[in-house]
Amino acid sequence: DSGVTQTPKHLITATGQRVTLRCSPRSGDLSVYWYQQSLDQGLQFLIQYYNGEERAKGNILERFSAQQFPDLHSELNLSSLELGDSALYFCASSEEGRGGFSPLHFGNGTRLTVT
Amino acid sequence: DQQVKQNSPSLSVQEGRISILNCDYTNSMFDYFLWYKKYPAEGPTFLISISSIKDKNEDGRFTVFLNKSAKHLSLHIVPSQPGDSAVYFCAASYNQGGKLIFGQGTELSVKP
Repeated sequence: DSGVTQTPKHLITATGQRVTLRCSPRSGDLSVYWYQQSLDQGLQFLIQYYNGEERAKGNILERFSAQQFPDLHSELNLSSLELGDSALYFCASSEEGRGGFSPLHFGNGTRLTVT
Repeated sequence: DQQVKQNSPSLSVQEGRISILNCDYTNSMFDYFLWYKKYPAEGPTFLISISSIKDKNEDGRFTVFLNKSAKHLSLHIVPSQPGDSAVYFCAASYNQGGKLIFGQGTELSVKP
């Protein structure tokens, strides 16, 4: 168990809809990352938050947004969903910012299916 | 532009033998390299890392080798066990952490 919790595990929705994915990082980790894994693809970095502030942005669509709350949990909002948004969405957390190198620890993901 | 590449989508090895997974990168600014293991329906699990100032790091049955001149790293698993069957991702970072850039993954199958 990585200590990173993601909910829900599965989500099925229709095109055009909006969904929210939730992530609770490991206790004490200030950094949260979101990744997308589409079929037969590697993990694509979407966005990173550190202690409530956006730290880095990757290939995140304008229809997607994220935030990190004061209790450090994070939400990824996906709107105007398209069939191509169907993927596994992973959240990870790390101790980054405390000095030195720290690996990312991943949750078990949310599988999103857009029909 | 894929900065981290794993050119072998799959690898099959006999139990007890060595598994060698390979990874190439293009960005010379990467300062840490990591290997993750992923089972179906689970998130990637951190295995081992190596700093760009080293050429080898060992942890039990797992050893990672880094060849900076060739921009190449490899993960050796000795001896391989059936429980090692999973998808292995290499990843790289710069600035001592933060986001990771992942390769496409290599599916390892260890046959009894």
